[in-house]
Amino acid sequence: QQPVQSPQAVILREGEDAVINCSSSKALYSVHWYRQKHGEAPVFLMILLKGGEQKGHEKISASFNEKKQQSSLYLTASQLSYSGTYFCGTLYSGGGADGLTFGKGTHLIIQP
Amino acid sequence: DAGVIQSPRHEVTEMGQEVTLRCKPISGHDYLFWYRQTMMRGLELLIYFNNNVPIDDSGMPEDRFSAKMPNASFSTLKIQPSEPRDSAVYFCASSLRGFSGNTIYFGEGSWLTVV
Repeated sequence: QQPVQSPQAVILREGEDAVINCSSSKALYSVHWYRQKHGEAPVFLMILLKGGEQKGHEKISASFNEKKQQSSLYLTASQLSYSGTYFCGTLYSGGGADGLTFGKGTHLIIQP
Repeated sequence: DAGVIQSPRHEVTEMGQEVTLRCKPISGHDYLFWYRQTMMRGLELLIYFNNNVPIDDSGMPEDRFSAKMPNASFSTLKIQPSEPRDSAVYFCASSLRGFSGNTIYFGEGSWLTVV
């Protein structure tokens, strides 16, 4: 089952903040965030394992709420380079599979 | 390291023809994944290998699709016969010890157009 991402698209001005959500109907073991620019491969941002941890990468951080089975990606003081499509990939608890299931993505456009 | 290498980068073929996509994973990685990306369905996992052995091929759409990994440094995804609905970007990815807390690295993708 594919995780659900929201919103589908966001348009921001440079310097503004954004939040991207990823929800699952199944218990999660981990959530993986990737960013993809048009015509390029997805690039890894961060992994969050169950335990409610929060991670950060420069001005991009994420949280993982195991009870709610959701993760949120926070982009603060957005830069033009943040534009792209953000995907969450989920690994389910007890699933036994090693393959990530990705959401449909959130398109982020940063305007000057 | 050179990263995950895929070929061809772009392929245009006629319906009914055989298509072979190739992948060289990052040296030392023991997991290899094939994904397909379309606007409608997003990124879909087709099949993955661990130590050259196919572990889960439940994402392979139909019998026209097949994948092999004859050795640790090479994998192929074959479509025979190809159909227009197979048009997509096919990504190969590799990782060390799977997804459980480890990063997966994607190749640049193979853009397939079936006309």
